[in-house]
Amino acid sequence: GNSVTQMEGPVTLSEEAFLTINCTYTATGYPSLFWYVQYPGEGLQLLLKATKADDKGSNKGFEATYRKETTSFHLEKGSVQVSDSAVYFCALSSGGTSYGKLTFGQGTILTVHP
Amino acid sequence: DTGVSQNPRHKITKRGQNVTFRCDPISEHNRLYWYRQTLGQGPEFLTYFQNEAQLEKSRLLSDRFSAERPKGSFSTLEIQRTEQGDSAMYLCASSRGQGDTEAFFGQGTRLTVV
Repeated sequence: GNSVTQMEGPVTLSEEAFLTINCTYTATGYPSLFWYVQYPGEGLQLLLKATKADDKGSNKGFEATYRKETTSFHLEKGSVQVSDSAVYFCALSSGGTSYGKLTFGQGTILTVHP
Repeated sequence: DTGVSQNPRHKITKRGQNVTFRCDPISEHNRLYWYRQTLGQGPEFLTYFQNEAQLEKSRLLSDRFSAERPKGSFSTLEIQRTEQGDSAMYLCASSRGQGDTEAFFGQGTRLTVV
């Protein structure tokens, strides 16, 4: 079956530091890959996505590249801000009749200090 | 359009009682998903609907759980004879349908079984 593994957290950084959150996956076929973010007290929001190998998703300074050869979709940001403090979830969606159904990783808590 | 709406936001119930949650998706979205999220974990898929048809149910969804979407608009998730292990955040999401994998999430209903 499908599975997603994220680096264990929590991650604590100072403002303007470089961020990497690792994500690897196991899936049959050609899944679409996502990063979702959950800010305190809010629902899950889509941060970025990539639907095929070598695609790069980007949003709000965050980037992730779909690497089929390493089955990875690592999240990066060059300079984090205090407002980026949140829980980040890597997820995948398979095609076919289950298109849109998501398999999530366990989440990584990010705390950014001034 | 105010996004995906879930009610109630919080529910405390005694073990053995029945509970029902409601989800109102984004109006033009014909796919609706239910997920369960326990503390420190990512959301786990429970079931989804295409319009009023329930197309897939996870093995996580025991016989005590039932979901409906009678008119293809709002959906309800009922848990009968609640157990302490049912305590979790129940999330609803919606999407336009096949070919569009972006799912929009509600803020969830937090269930506590005492």
